[in-house]
Amino acid sequence: SQKIEQNSEALNIQEGKTATLTCNYTNYSPAYLQWYRQDPGRGPVFLLLIRENEKEKRKERLKVTFDTTLKQSLFHITASQPADSATYLCALHTNAGKSTFGDGTTLTVKP
Amino acid sequence: EPEVTQTPSHQVTQMGQEVILRCVPISNHLYFYWYRQILGQKVEFLVSFYNNEISEKSEIFDDQFSVERPDGSNFTLKIRSTKLEDSAMYFCASSAMQGSGYTFGSGTRLTVV
Repeated sequence: SQKIEQNSEALNIQEGKTATLTCNYTNYSPAYLQWYRQDPGRGPVFLLLIRENEKEKRKERLKVTFDTTLKQSLFHITASQPADSATYLCALHTNAGKSTFGDGTTLTVKP
Repeated sequence: EPEVTQTPSHQVTQMGQEVILRCVPISNHLYFYWYRQILGQKVEFLVSFYNNEISEKSEIFDDQFSVERPDGSNFTLKIRSTKLEDSAMYFCASSAMQGSGYTFGSGTRLTVV
């Protein structure tokens, strides 16, 4: 069955460091992958999308990579700030709009 | 910044009752979705909708559920004969096209008692 794993439930880092979050999947051939931020009690907020034929995308301090051979995406936040503290979700999507979300990784950036 | 609007923000209903959750997607978006998130669990896909019909649905989206776009702006999720395990946050989302980022609403917290 399809499975998505995000590397850990929680990640604690010091302000200014780079946070790296991992999303691994099995038994899935996604058309694209998205990363979202979710704060407690709120809906997910879209951050970045990467397609199956793309290797890397960047947006400001955010970078995502996508390796369809390894079936893995890495999400990086450089120069992290306490305001980056949140739960980060990866989601795999088919072209028909069916999506599967990971459990999320809760990032805490300490001042 | 355009928003996806969901109403009500919180709904309490008796087991066995029908509920309708309402969403107003972003006006120029063409693709619409419903998700749910049980407290402390992952976001789960329910259904995607395009061109006035369901594109995909999950195993969760059984005959108890239905979706409708009754006019040019609203997108609704109906849950018939609610069960205790239907208690969750329900999120509506929309996107401009396939392969573009989704905008989520703030959710409706459904509590079945």
